[in-house]
Amino acid sequence: QVQLVESGGGVVQPGGSLRLSCAASGFTFGSCGMHWVRQAPGKGLEWVAFIRYDGNNKYYADSVKGRFTISRDNSKNTLYLQMNSLRAEDTAVYYCAKGSTYDFLTGYPPDYWGQGIVVTVSS
Amino acid sequence: QLVLTQSPSASASLGASVKLTCTLSSGHSNYAIAWHQQQPEKGPRYLMKLNSDGSHSKGDGIPDRFSGSSSGAERYLTISSLQSEDEADYYCQTWGTGTLVFGGGTKLTVL
Repeated sequence: QVQLVESGGGVVQPGGSLRLSCAASGFTFGSCGMHWVRQAPGKGLEWVAFIRYDGNNKYYADSVKGRFTISRDNSKNTLYLQMNSLRAEDTAVYYCAKGSTYDFLTGYPPDYWGQGIVVTVSS
Repeated sequence: QLVLTQSPSASASLGASVKLTCTLSSGHSNYAIAWHQQQPEKGPRYLMKLNSDGSHSKGDGIPDRFSGSSSGAERYLTISSLQSEDEADYYCQTWGTGTLVFGGGTKLTVL
């Protein structure tokens, strides 16, 4: 069965950095695009970033563009999110989600989600 | 601007049916959406993709009690024979240019 397990969260000061990881299993990771989606405390879901199956296409929400970098290591079945210049408004639970196809294509939603990892940006 | 609008809350009795609504903003009435469920303290779960013509395809293991339909700019999720575990937040989601857009979510209470 598909499993997505996030790690690397924690408490970080404003302006600091953190790298999240998402270990994937139960499907052919190297054939699927992958998303990061976050949820601020008491709020709804906010899409953060997407990476194509081979890492060659990446998309970002305007709120994180230039600060966050999505990447992947298909040999390790692992997705990453490098978060720099963190702000208080980045405080959220971060979810990785499996794309239902190889690239960012309209009509192909995230079809499996992880349990999430908490990131708190506070001094 | 592409916006999905959902009522913040809904409620229905155990064993009854409920219909949740997601409304696409003007000029986007032909967009497909997806529905995702988030039970308390859990990660979201993909329910289905729903097209403008009402055709839909469900995720793995999603019971027949969950169905989708469309009318104009509105997309619906109907849950029949409500069970206690259906008490959750329900989010609709669609595709912008290189982005995913989520609605604000509807909190469903099963009475």
